[in-house]
Amino acid sequence: DVVMTQSPRTLAVTLGQPASISCTSSQSIVYTDGNTYLNWFQQRPGQSPRRLIYTVSNRDSGVPDRFSGSGSGTNFTLRISRVEAEDVGLYYCLQGAHWPPYTFGQGTKLAIK
Amino acid sequence: EVQLVESGGTLVKPGGSLRLSCEASGFTFSKAWMSWVRQAPGKGLEWIGRIKSESDGGTPDYAEFVKDRFTISRDDSQSTMYLQMSGLQSEDTAVYFCTTPLFKTPNYWGRGTLVTVSS
Repeated sequence: DVVMTQSPRTLAVTLGQPASISCTSSQSIVYTDGNTYLNWFQQRPGQSPRRLIYTVSNRDSGVPDRFSGSGSGTNFTLRISRVEAEDVGLYYCLQGAHWPPYTFGQGTKLAIK
Repeated sequence: EVQLVESGGTLVKPGGSLRLSCEASGFTFSKAWMSWVRQAPGKGLEWIGRIKSESDGGTPDYAEFVKDRFTISRDDSQSTMYLQMSGLQSEDTAVYFCTTPLFKTPNYWGRGTLVTVSS
């Protein structure tokens, strides 16, 4: 199975400051169709997960443009340009190039400093 | 409006069985590859498995840890996906979510249903 490793595991950020979460895969997650199946999800406290980013860098509808995704091969990053209070929660990466199974990262907890 | 409503979660004894349902509305369910994902208390997300659309064969794929214990099925006439679970153990205690295709747009999740395995 592909192992997804996120860092840091916890992140405390001052409101208005940027934040960055890294996700590294144990092998390349470029699929045979040429796409890189790497998603990012947000889970606010007490809520279901919500997808923010798909195939590395595409923002889902309704996701603020302060969220961006980048990366290639085995190294990926979720960036929040200016953290807001509503961004508090857990963030997960997910790979879908090598299945089964799809594999999630362990999660990163974002808090406000 | 897309809705996914999971149901069937309850308290079950170790070794017991349970069937979860995910009723979908607001999109063409029959064309969607659907997944189950779970989250143990205070833990991360864990993909359980998915089922393809009937037009793509209707076959399920599973994570290794649930093989031979869990079965995913679907009834397109009822826009419903099922997760049949047997041989439940305490480590299966979790909130179980259903989702629309994880790698297609858009992606939706239900609110989840809680399964508690305890004597």
